[in-house]
Amino acid sequence: GEDVEQSLFLSVREGDSSVINCTYTDSSSTYLYWYKQEPGAGLQLLTYIFSNMDMKQDQRLTVLLNKKDKHLSLRIADTQTGDSAIYFCAEIGQKLVFGTGTRLLVSP
Amino acid sequence: DVKVTQSSRYLVKRTGEKVFLECVQDMDHENMFWYRQDPGLGLRLIYFSYDVKMKEKGDIPEGYSVSREKKERFSLILESASTNQTSMYLCASSPDRISSGANVLTFGAGSRLTVL
Repeated sequence: GEDVEQSLFLSVREGDSSVINCTYTDSSSTYLYWYKQEPGAGLQLLTYIFSNMDMKQDQRLTVLLNKKDKHLSLRIADTQTGDSAIYFCAEIGQKLVFGTGTRLLVSP
Repeated sequence: DVKVTQSSRYLVKRTGEKVFLECVQDMDHENMFWYRQDPGLGLRLIYFSYDVKMKEKGDIPEGYSVSREKKERFSLILESASTNQTSMYLCASSPDRISSGANVLTFGAGSRLTVL
């Protein structure tokens, strides 16, 4: 079945870049998503990428997709303390499957 | 500006009690979903609904049921709560079916349930 894996934790200093990685197994995935969950809140869509794209940039966010290796990454430039949250990747192929989530901690 | 509202943010229940978790959306979305979120496991789909009075099992429906009597309201029911149902429950809605294109889910803030 489909499986989406992420590392559980990432710690960075304010001003550094953060890179959150995700691997998935469904080769029929059409869209891949990044959601952000702030403390005490639900998930909010950050960005998404269509499977025929390699890269998408949106202000401080850069999404890279390596379809051959089934690897998705989210780079946050100039990370701020307000970026501290849990980040979920998700892919939609036969169905929508969420990753395990990566908790990003940004220290001053 | 709240779009998906989960009425109970925190609940504490005892084993065997019946539990209702309510979710209301004001975006006229056809589709509504219930997930549970557990550390290290991500989000797992419990049930979903594509229309009023319609429901479909997700990946982990055992021990749960749902009700969709009105388009805007989707309730999750635990007939007899057990300690392994202690979790964060997230409701979501979307205008499109999961299987179609760039589907975007709008989530509620979550209901944290503790079963003692």
